Amino acid sequence: QKEVEQDPGPLSVPEGAIVSLNCTYSNSAFQYFMWYRQYSRKGPELLMYTYSSGNKEDGRFTAQVDKSSKYISLFIRDSQPSDSATYLCAMTLSGYSTLTFGKGTMLLVSP
Amino acid sequence: GAVVSQHPSRVICKSGTSVKIECRSLDFQATTMFWYRQFPKQSLMLMATSNEGSKATYEQGVEKDKFLINHASLTLSTLTVTSAHPEDSSFYICSASRGGEMDGYTFGSGTRLTVV
Repeated sequence: QKEVEQDPGPLSVPEGAIVSLNCTYSNSAFQYFMWYRQYSRKGPELLMYTYSSGNKEDGRFTAQVDKSSKYISLFIRDSQPSDSATYLCAMTLSGYSTLTFGKGTMLLVSP
Repeated sequence: GAVVSQHPSRVICKSGTSVKIECRSLDFQATTMFWYRQFPKQSLMLMATSNEGSKATYEQGVEKDKFLINHASLTLSTLTVTSAHPEDSSFYICSASRGGEMDGYTFGSGTRLTVV
């Protein structure tokens, strides 16, 4: 079993749809959770991070963590074509540890 | 915000030659820098972790003599792919960390290496 599982997609949605992206993990020691967005042939950029179970909202993005189920989600409201990218979940034991990434989910938002 | 500059963005080299990739933190001092490799439609695979002034720590299976990492200052790390072969062709990405902050992992824009 891989440490972090993430469906690679692609996930295709129409503009304006609500998108749900998910990751599961096996290591209960992970404490910090991040979502990165990666456009083609570019480095990942941090979208959101959180370290506790529950929801965290930032504009159209909501990150959700359920540590008891070892499950994290990223919701995108009112999706836009510019949101088309690969979304990577990442997690770590602490702020000084290496990141463990999911495989990434490719999202395609059509106009 | 924190910016990490990575150069070159794309390089083509002949088999057997060496290629150097630079990673610079422009507006902060990076206590740690990470080097990743990414194959098409795959996740980022950590190659090595480097701290300024000390030897890099390589992940299992990564040849340290082939992928030379130098972290000479708190703002610069370099990855040299020595005696490159076509199988080394990949997307290489660096990340710089301020340490202790969840938003402190900043990535460079990546380098696409093609060995012909």
